[in-house]
Amino acid sequence: DAKTTQPPSMDCAEGRAANLPCNHSTISGNEYVYWYRQIHSQGPQYIIHGLKNNETNEMASLIITEDRKSSTLILPHATLRDTAVYYCIVRVFGNQFYFGTGTSLTVIP
Amino acid sequence: DTAVSQTPKYLVTQMGNDKSIKCEQNLGHDTMYWYKQDSKKFLKIMFSYNNKELIINETVPNRFSPKSPDKAHLNLHINSLELGDSAVYFCASSSVGRDTSYEQYFGPGTRLTVT
Repeated sequence: DAKTTQPPSMDCAEGRAANLPCNHSTISGNEYVYWYRQIHSQGPQYIIHGLKNNETNEMASLIITEDRKSSTLILPHATLRDTAVYYCIVRVFGNQFYFGTGTSLTVIP
Repeated sequence: DTAVSQTPKYLVTQMGNDKSIKCEQNLGHDTMYWYKQDSKKFLKIMFSYNNKELIINETVPNRFSPKSPDKAHLNLHINSLELGDSAVYFCASSSVGRDTSYEQYFGPGTRLTVT
């Protein structure tokens, strides 16, 4: 199973871009990188996913390095409501997800 | 109209009791899951049901029994509750297929407290 490593916590000023890194050096060729977040005891919320190419949606951008060993989730203009724990997940066989410890992002006014 | 709903939201019970948590999804997904999040916030998958068949059981004690009467429902029954069962239980659903992205949609959680 490809495992992920994320910093335990980060701060970001409101209105600035939040860049959340993730290392997944043992990822295999057909494994996707997913990002979820959990806002204070709510259910986790899907943000974005990608395989090789960079991806963007209305919530965030996902930058995956060419060797796929790491990725960065970018929240372009962080708001206070983006304060949450962000999980980087590599999807192993089938539909199984393993959530790690994530990064606790605090957006500061 | 909630996509994935769970009942109850809070459940307080005594050791040794039997309890159930219900989950329903109206997304038309074919796979549903139960996750457990303990006090240290680790989120671990417990079960997965695809078209009413169990396809994952992550070494969960057999006191826990998932039951899926149809594709839209996955209930979790827990026998002989123990203190260590206290946690937040999340239900989730997704579509699994060749051209789907396997995004999982989570319910709001059920906070179970065993005293």
